[in-house]
Amino acid sequence: DADVTQTPRNRITKTGKRIMLECSQTKGHDRMYWYRQDPGLGLRLIYYSFDVKDINKGEISDGYSVSRQAQAKFSLSLESAIPNQTALYFCATSDPSSNYGYTFGSGTRLTVV
Amino acid sequence: AQTVTQSQPEMSVQEAETVTLSCTYDTSENNYYLFWYKQPPSRQMILVIRQEAYKQQNATENRFSVNFQKAAKSFSLKISDSQLGDTAMYFCAFTGAAGNKLTFGGGTRVLVKP
Repeated sequence: DADVTQTPRNRITKTGKRIMLECSQTKGHDRMYWYRQDPGLGLRLIYYSFDVKDINKGEISDGYSVSRQAQAKFSLSLESAIPNQTALYFCATSDPSSNYGYTFGSGTRLTVV
Repeated sequence: AQTVTQSQPEMSVQEAETVTLSCTYDTSENNYYLFWYKQPPSRQMILVIRQEAYKQQNATENRFSVNFQKAAKSFSLKISDSQLGDTAMYFCAFTGAAGNKLTFGGGTRVLVKP
């Protein structure tokens, strides 16, 4: 099994729909992240969490929300999807004790029509 | 805020030759970490190489090496003896000493031609 698992792998949804992207990890890391990838812009940070009670906004959090249900689970929600949220979304974990090695999930490709 | 810039959107190289990808960054921190990630068509993010800013010696991993110029805030990646499997997007990334978050450049698409 993958260390960081994202579901679904691909998703097409309609404008205005609520959608949740899920992430779970078996690394035992406290730190979890959600990134968004767009062509030419690289990956940009949406939200991050350093433990279950800690949630922080990243550089592009507008239109998104997150929930840290447990150390191993970190979900990203789009309350009312819009077409410019069409992108590739990555969940990641990191471990400060290993020189901040980051482990990424395999991504969720979201298309909003 | 830190920024990372990759000035080459695309590069192509013949198989077995060498290609160098550029990356510059901006930070006021003295201690930090720099990374190169590879993203093949499978879209998995794969760590290629990591450099700690306090180490003067350039990192090397097999055919991949970096040229880290701290004063110039430059961190280039050299791929030697390019292979078809090196075809991918390559991202340069930065994190500060606290390792709170990764900041990425826009990426460079590398195409290795047979």
